[in-house]
Amino acid sequence: QVLLQESGPGLVKPSGTLSLICRVSGGSIRGNSWWTWVRQSPGQGLQWVGEIDDDGIAHYSPSLKSRLTMSVDTSKNEFSLTLTSVTVADTAVYFCASLTRFLEGSFYYYGLDVWGQGTSVTVSS
Amino acid sequence: IQLTQSPSSLSASVGDTVTITCRASQDISYYLAWFQQKPGKAPNLLIYGASTLLSGVPSRFSGRGSGTDFTLTISSLQAEDFATYYCQQLHTYPYNFGQGTKVEIK
Repeated sequence: QVLLQESGPGLVKPSGTLSLICRVSGGSIRGNSWWTWVRQSPGQGLQWVGEIDDDGIAHYSPSLKSRLTMSVDTSKNEFSLTLTSVTVADTAVYFCASLTRFLEGSFYYYGLDVWGQGTSVTVSS
Repeated sequence: IQLTQSPSSLSASVGDTVTITCRASQDISYYLAWFQQKPGKAPNLLIYGASTLLSGVPSRFSGRGSGTDFTLTISSLQAEDFATYYCQQLHTYPYNFGQGTKVEIK
């Protein structure tokens, strides 16, 4: 069973850079998954941030794209998120998750079936 | 693609049957998933492909729909089912979520 664990600073200053890592254990980062970040601002719903595959091909939320970079390190079995020029609006719990492809009949469907516990990030001076 | 869930919250009693609706702004075929989230916890995947239960999810949960209109039904609501539920489309990037439906105890 794959397990995910986020790590990063709990506090980032406005205009600074947020860097988070998600370590994958119990399985290889190479395989049938896309590695995803989701965030949740206090009291709010879930926001899809972006995803990256093991070849480093990434898709980002349009609202964050200009500030966001994701990368994957297969040697360390981890993937990361870097968000620049942060503001208080970036204060959130950040979750990493694994998007798995499921075969149903002759069709593939997808679901975020494994999640980290989340890491809280506060943007404040 | 925007997802609109309704209602945003509901009150129900143990044993009730509740239905949550998720409407997509355009056709997403069957590329819809449902999640349950409890306070302070990560979401848990319940259903993918609009209607397929993830292994281990109780059969009182069911999903239906295709195209733009989807439902999540919880039959015979249990105490552990009081939570917030989200739909997510996985048809077109960005893979947006609905705004959530909070199921509370009446």
